[in-house]
Amino acid sequence: AQSVTQLGSHVSVSEGALVLLRCNYSSSVPPYLFWYVQYPNQGLQLLLKYTTGATLVKGINGFEAEFKKSETSFHLTKPSAHMSDAAEYFCAVSGYPSGGYQKVTFGIGTKLQVIP
Amino acid sequence: DTGVSQNPRHKITKRGQNVTFRCDPISEHNRLYWYRQTLGQGPEFLTYFQNEAQLEKSRLLSDRFSAERPKGSFSTLEIQRTEQGDSAMYLCASSSPPQGAEGNTIYFGEGSWLTVV
Repeated sequence: AQSVTQLGSHVSVSEGALVLLRCNYSSSVPPYLFWYVQYPNQGLQLLLKYTTGATLVKGINGFEAEFKKSETSFHLTKPSAHMSDAAEYFCAVSGYPSGGYQKVTFGIGTKLQVIP
Repeated sequence: DTGVSQNPRHKITKRGQNVTFRCDPISEHNRLYWYRQTLGQGPEFLTYFQNEAQLEKSRLLSDRFSAERPKGSFSTLEIQRTEQGDSAMYLCASSSPPQGAEGNTIYFGEGSWLTVV
């Protein structure tokens, strides 16, 4: 079984400030972890992913996330928020694909508001 | 690579009517997924295809819902006798075989919004 907990359904930051969106996961097998971004009335766009290897993962739009196994966390950060970062962010977890199938479980999302 | 394509993007229907959504996955992807997303929630898994075979169905997929992928390419999701509770965004996603890190990533379409009135 696997699950994701996103702490804070709404986060507000000032433009230029640090963005920190929290994600903790639960997985009975070594996880693969993802962050997706969703703009209003659109589908989900992959920001970044952790599968194996380096635990600090860099993604698009200046975002990065660090996989911390001991804390079962995969928090998303960006040093300086931009107005265009305002969107909803989803953390997701999957196990290693057995037989080619990877069921991905999503958190409930965090809406990021950027204040000018 | 044109990405995952879904249509229609928006559908308003009266309760009791049937609706069908279509998904065209990324061309080289043989795995296809349907998810449902309601307001304030993350996407919830509905069903999974590997080529034309439907390998898993969520208990969320009641008997009014049917999904097909007849030739292992595009897929359709049909909802019969729609209810107001079916109002949601229906997301299609696809992925390639699990070869290295890339194979563990699913790519989403823009979604199809359903409003049942």
